Amino acid sequence: QSALTQPRSVSGSPGQSVTISCTGSSSDVGGYKYVSWYQYHPGKAPKVIIYDVSKRPSGVPDRFSGSKSGNTASLTISGLQAEDEADYYCCSYTGTYTMVFGGGTKVTVL
Amino acid sequence: EVQLVESGGGVVRPGGSLRLSCAASGFTSDDYAMSWVRQAPGKGLEWVSGINWNGGRTGYTDSVKGRFTISRDNAKKSLYLQMNSLRTEDTALYFCARHRSSGYDSFAYWGQGTLVTVSS
Repeated sequence: QSALTQPRSVSGSPGQSVTISCTGSSSDVGGYKYVSWYQYHPGKAPKVIIYDVSKRPSGVPDRFSGSKSGNTASLTISGLQAEDEADYYCCSYTGTYTMVFGGGTKVTVL
Repeated sequence: EVQLVESGGGVVRPGGSLRLSCAASGFTSDDYAMSWVRQAPGKGLEWVSGINWNGGRTGYTDSVKGRFTISRDNAKKSLYLQMNSLRTEDTALYFCARHRSSGYDSFAYWGQGTLVTVSS
């Protein structure tokens, strides 16, 4: 149950696009469609922004998008806004009723 | 409106026990899988344990196997986490989360968390 690998930080100017990668293995990210992404402000409740690799819950802006290729999932934030500054975590089902998060990525809006 | 309210956190000595509870409202409890997720100070989110809709399938992260037990009472719309043999590294904010479906897919709703501090 090793944590999925995410970059520790990414940054961009308002209006730019940033992409966060989430690398696992064929036992988690590569093996299941249950990859999700969460926006998290420490001390508050995390918020799901992408589920099932690329689906957006209602109310989440369409500038958030998700994809997967092989054992790596990605979250792209297009048209970066100041309110997007937060920590982002990917998560995957790993089989046998277990799940694993990535290490988290801090997004900074310059 | 879906609400998840955790309780039971506190300060406990290493080797001690705590029982966390999560009270659910705003949805039919037995339609969904539930999990506990924690965040230790200065660390990232960590999935701790999950349980399917009827309690028949449970899972644990390796570091808590044999020490923590997850359970649910759908009649009381409640989720529990019995934590025994607590270690200092179990110190964290513990979140209750409801999955999107009856299986182990994404976490659609989260509580605000309850703080567990393990310290001598």
